[in-house]
Amino acid sequence: NAGVMQNPRHLVRRRGQEARLRCSPMKGHSHVYWYRQLPEEGLKFMVYLQKENIIDESGMPKERFSAEFPKEGPSILRIQQVVRGDSAAYFCAAGGRNTGELFFGEGSRLTVL
Amino acid sequence: QQQVKQSPQSLIVQKGGISIINCAYENTAFDYFPWYQQFPGKGPALLIAIRPDVSEKKEGRFTISFNKSAKQFSLHIMDSQPGDSATYFCAASKSNTGKLIFGQGTTLQVKP
Repeated sequence: NAGVMQNPRHLVRRRGQEARLRCSPMKGHSHVYWYRQLPEEGLKFMVYLQKENIIDESGMPKERFSAEFPKEGPSILRIQQVVRGDSAAYFCAAGGRNTGELFFGEGSRLTVL
Repeated sequence: QQQVKQSPQSLIVQKGGISIINCAYENTAFDYFPWYQQFPGKGPALLIAIRPDVSEKKEGRFTISFNKSAKQFSLHIMDSQPGDSATYFCAASKSNTGKLIFGQGTTLQVKP
């Protein structure tokens, strides 16, 4: 998973606040995937983005969650008005095209108080 | 039809033993089956992967066995070591995407 950079590694928010998670894929990769891992569960696909474009957001909750990958800068997963159920590890991954091989970052662990 | 079912949920093996983790899928359109290893506080790391044109793939102590007709695949860890203690996830996808469907995970503990 070297090369996919995520920050912050840990984030604590109170209910109702906003959380912003950032992801920079390794050089040469213009596509990123976001996954969520709830405690004691497997990872669940959320969204697939390329630069300036959302390709597949079928796993994103309908409300409060959004994602973007601007032409310059990292991809951002934004969670508005966080609730306790949003507490999870959020992983970004790069790769996948043609080969299916995904390389994950270290994750951002969100705790909602 | 999108599920991948993984078992067992947890596994304890003695050092030197064989660890076996099983997965079953439903969607016959899946054609890429990776296994990921995850240590506490870390991201999942790709361990080994197989495509349905072969029935077995081996990389060092790790082997995937694939049964297309039964829609099942398994991970075998030979000569298991304490350093293999981690959570293992199977997954499935169509190979031209990174949209993986993950199993629920197996926590492996290898006792010295």
